Amino acid sequence: GNSVTQMEGPVTLSEEAFLTINCTYTATGYPSLFWYVQYPGEGLQLLLKATKADDKGSNKGFEATYRKETTSFHLEKGSVQVSDSAVYFCARRQGAQKLVFGQGTRLTINP
Amino acid sequence: DVKVTQSSRYLVKRTGEKVFLECVQDMDHENMFWYRQDPGLGLRLIYFSYDVKMKEKGDIPEGYSVSREKKERFSLILESASTNQTSMYLCASSSPDRGLETQYFGPGTRLLVL
Repeated sequence: GNSVTQMEGPVTLSEEAFLTINCTYTATGYPSLFWYVQYPGEGLQLLLKATKADDKGSNKGFEATYRKETTSFHLEKGSVQVSDSAVYFCARRQGAQKLVFGQGTRLTINP
Repeated sequence: DVKVTQSSRYLVKRTGEKVFLECVQDMDHENMFWYRQDPGLGLRLIYFSYDVKMKEKGDIPEGYSVSREKKERFSLILESASTNQTSMYLCASSSPDRGLETQYFGPGTRLLVL
């Protein structure tokens, strides 16, 4: 089965709301963890990453902390904008060079 | 600037047709990947390649094959398209020099098989 699980979407928020998208993983050891974002009509692009336990990845106001105790890597943003509307994918490293992705969470921000 | 391009954004084919999806990257990356993206399932790896003329099966290779004759180009082939291959196909590339785990994605090809 899929070893990365994200909260089900879609998620709809108003502008300036606080965002959390949950992500948990199963793995042997402590793999690198990632959040990718897919804006409408585009491919995925890396949003942030954390390579070891307790690391915090951050970019564009988004943050995620690698928590080995809860095997989680939840994505947060304090105040979302309409331009944050996209599909967000959590992923973890598998083996030497592969990634395993979660199912994606569609986020819509209303003005 | 990093660039991964895919030959078509939208494609409509008939059941049984042979379909070629092309991907080109201009970053001299060693690794290239083909995924399919379906609602509720996220991205699933079909095939990947670590080098020219080299390929490895991913999680869902059945019904697909690939070709990597040149470093910059990675082709996905549907030998005999079926309706359950209707999907969004995403190509990606990565390199040890840029951080193996950071994959750069193309815009995707949305394939409809009738």
